[in-house]
Amino acid sequence: DGGITQSPKYLFRKEGQNVTLSCEQNLNHDAMYWYRQDPGQGLRLIYYSQIVNDFQKGDIAEGYSVSREKKESFPLTVTSAQKNPTAFYLCASSIRAETGNEQFFGPGTRLTVL
Amino acid sequence: GENVEQHPSTLSVQEGDSAVIKCTYSDSASNYFPWYKQELGKRPQLIIDIRSNVGEKKDQRIAVTLNKTAKHFSLHITETQPEDSAVYFCAASIPGGGNKLTFGTGTQLKVEL
Repeated sequence: DGGITQSPKYLFRKEGQNVTLSCEQNLNHDAMYWYRQDPGQGLRLIYYSQIVNDFQKGDIAEGYSVSREKKESFPLTVTSAQKNPTAFYLCASSIRAETGNEQFFGPGTRLTVL
Repeated sequence: GENVEQHPSTLSVQEGDSAVIKCTYSDSASNYFPWYKQELGKRPQLIIDIRSNVGEKKDQRIAVTLNKTAKHFSLHITETQPEDSAVYFCAASIPGGGNKLTFGTGTQLKVEL
């Protein structure tokens, strides 16, 4: 269960504010991922990073930004440009970025924009 | 890009019965198909996966089958128990894509006593 953590668990923000979600892993994994989960829509990929100092857009990157300055950290910023930011955000990591490596998920952050 | 469809969206079975969840994928290049279980308020956890060079895989009460020609794969749970109640997600991954997963929309399984 341990190894990948997200904070905070719950986050409330006003419209128009940027907010940064934390994701940390101590599994020595190369690859990290951010997903958004909405009711009835499954998990959708926002951004992913195959290795430190590198990241690529996923399917729904608009309004989000990331950085990967350290291997163990992959923070996600939800900007004011994201039209509907209220959602459950899940971070995941895998030992390598090759297909077939299990992705381990963090506990998630529930963001509510008021 | 890849598209994964999952059915049914909800499934209710009696304890001890079997449950089957089906997924179809669009990109024939996909070669890795994991299944995740997410209990209420918890993180998704991998329960079983299958690679495209295998047609079936079993792990105790759960099994997954893959039909590459038809581009569909299924999760089978036998002798269901109340603790199997959760949301199940299928996913697919294309080689060379950074191990990205495209998920289905999930199936809410309820096992009734």
